[in-house]
Amino acid sequence: GAVVSQHPSRVICKSGTSVKIECRSLDFQATTMFWYRQFPKQSLMLMATSNEGSKATYEQGVEKDKFLINHASLTLSTLTVTSAHPEDSSFYICSVQGLGNYGYTFGSGTRLTVV
Amino acid sequence: GQQLNQSPQSMFIQEGEDVSMNCTSSSIFNTWLWYKQDPGEGPVLLIALYKAGELTSNGRLTAQFGITRKDSFLNISASIPSDVGIYFCAGSSSNDYKLSFGAGTTVTVRA
Repeated sequence: GAVVSQHPSRVICKSGTSVKIECRSLDFQATTMFWYRQFPKQSLMLMATSNEGSKATYEQGVEKDKFLINHASLTLSTLTVTSAHPEDSSFYICSVQGLGNYGYTFGSGTRLTVV
Repeated sequence: GQQLNQSPQSMFIQEGEDVSMNCTSSSIFNTWLWYKQDPGEGPVLLIALYKAGELTSNGRLTAQFGITRKDSFLNISASIPSDVGIYFCAGSSSNDYKLSFGAGTTVTVRA
């Protein structure tokens, strides 16, 4: 399956600042990537679908102006949390949809803490 | 996304015992996936199922895609301490390729 690299693994930022998280598909050209958020002891919730060369599609209730997604190349999607607040603190994980029977491969996640 | 019901929510088992967990959905899925997540890490794919009735093994893990396409189970045989973690089922329908996740099953193994 695809090899996915996510960076940074941990980030602490002050309220009001913006944070960018990168998701790279290292060995596969991914036209579609997905961004999830996971709160402690909860499941993964899909935030948005990142489409190479076009606008991302957001799930209901996810603010597109707050969570900016850019998928400018077939190997990189970025999620920018703008004007972060403490309630945005969470574990953010990206995934890449593979080909055929490869399933969906996830990055190692980014722990965001907003103070 | 669609709602998946995963059970049990947690289980404590003795090393060497078999483990079974399952997921059901009110919607038909074309793909069922089983993942394991360790603390602070992303989920790692264990088994992928693509056909109704499919039974697939990966070492001590066995999973099946229910014939109704609305359920799946995962079995772990002869559990060992490293089986500790949270197991998630996930499903996708072909029209959007989005994954819906179950709430997870936390497995704790007593040595």
